[in-house]
Amino acid sequence: AQSVTQLDSHVSVSEGTPVLLRCNYSSSYSPSLFWYVQHPNKGLQLLLKYTSAATLVKGINGFEAEFKKSETSFHLTKPSAHMSDAAEYFCVVTIQQAGTALIFGKGTTLSVSS
Amino acid sequence: NAGVTQTPKFQVLKTGQSMTLQCAQDMNHNSMYWYRQDPGMGLRLIYYSASEGTTDKGEVPNGYNVSRLNKREFSLRLESAAPSQTSVYFCASSQPQTGETQYFGPGTRLLVL
Repeated sequence: AQSVTQLDSHVSVSEGTPVLLRCNYSSSYSPSLFWYVQHPNKGLQLLLKYTSAATLVKGINGFEAEFKKSETSFHLTKPSAHMSDAAEYFCVVTIQQAGTALIFGKGTTLSVSS
Repeated sequence: NAGVTQTPKFQVLKTGQSMTLQCAQDMNHNSMYWYRQDPGMGLRLIYYSASEGTTDKGEVPNGYNVSRLNKREFSLRLESAAPSQTSVYFCASSQPQTGETQYFGPGTRLLVL
């Protein structure tokens, strides 16, 4: 069965420092993996997705993630945090046998201080 | 092109009342989904419709029913609301291909007293 574990419920960084949000997955199939971001009281926006092409995936707003099959990980990184990056981030895996229905991790709240 | 729209944005119900959450998409997507979001739980799939005319249960279907009215519209019904159904509900749509992006609506905040 597919599952997603976000290893940190809350990450705090200073503006201008690197961001690392960790995600491990479990899947019986070759997975498709996503990172979504949700700003307070807003809907969900796709940051990036991995679909078995390049293992390093670049997304919007300077974020990127690397798919590591040997480690079953899909960590999200950004070289330099901005105040506007403060939000909740979800790592997501597809349920292959159910079309493209998604399984969400429980989320990581990113706080950015000045 | 409005994407995915949801109505209402916010609703307060009393225990036992019924209501229907509406969702529509204008992207000609075949697949539509309903999720609920609770603090610390991420989003959990309630029901989905892989194509017009089909619906299937997700992770947390109890207490809900759905109708895929046509290709554009997918509604979620609470027949007898319970406080445990207080949540934020998101509708999403996608094309049914592996890894295809899901597009989410703005959400409906539901409070059941």
